[in-house]
Amino acid sequence: SYELTQPPSVSVSPGQTARITCSGDALPKQYVYWYQQKPGQAPVLVIYKDSERPSGIPERFSGSSSGTKAAMTISGVQAEDEADYYCQSADSSGSYQVFGGGTKVTVL
Amino acid sequence: EVQLVESGGGLVQPGGSLRLSCATSGFSFNNHWMHWVRQAPGKGLVWVSRINRDGSSTSYADVVKGRFTISSDNAKNTLFLQMNSLRAEDTAVYFCARSDYGFDHWGRGTLVTVSS
Repeated sequence: SYELTQPPSVSVSPGQTARITCSGDALPKQYVYWYQQKPGQAPVLVIYKDSERPSGIPERFSGSSSGTKAAMTISGVQAEDEADYYCQSADSSGSYQVFGGGTKVTVL
Repeated sequence: EVQLVESGGGLVQPGGSLRLSCATSGFSFNNHWMHWVRQAPGKGLVWVSRINRDGSSTSYADVVKGRFTISSDNAKNTLFLQMNSLRAEDTAVYFCARSDYGFDHWGRGTLVTVSS
């Protein structure tokens, strides 16, 4: 079955930049989406269609995708950005959705 | 305001069945594909199933195929998930989610615990 691979954890100091990667064989054909999830809460969409930001999401969140790798960057990390982040995409046929394993972002 | 509210979770024995519901409001239900996503305690998000706008097409993750059935009642703006032959590994919070570009709205989830 199709898989998306993320690093388990990323640590960053306040004000610095956090970059989370996501790799998958079908990424050249499918958009990538990114979600933020805080403990006990439902996920929130923070990046859609590789690099678009929904209304209400701060400009410090950005996304990119090239070939089989995608990335989400948080510029000027704030304490409130500490959360789990998941990438999501579809298999090459578009029939099945899949999430990455998640990356825990810790703000030091 | 878009709202999705799941219900129907609870404790069930292995091999048992449960039917989850997701009541929606604040948007045109039959204009969106709908999904179920689950999250085992302390684990990551796992996509479970989806249904298209008019209910004519469905898709399932391999781990639930043949055991779970997704359906919708467009007149009542409600999504369902019938879960049969439940296993301990199905224990999770089950979220319903609307998709537009990405899963742009989520419910708060309902907990399903499979245990004897």
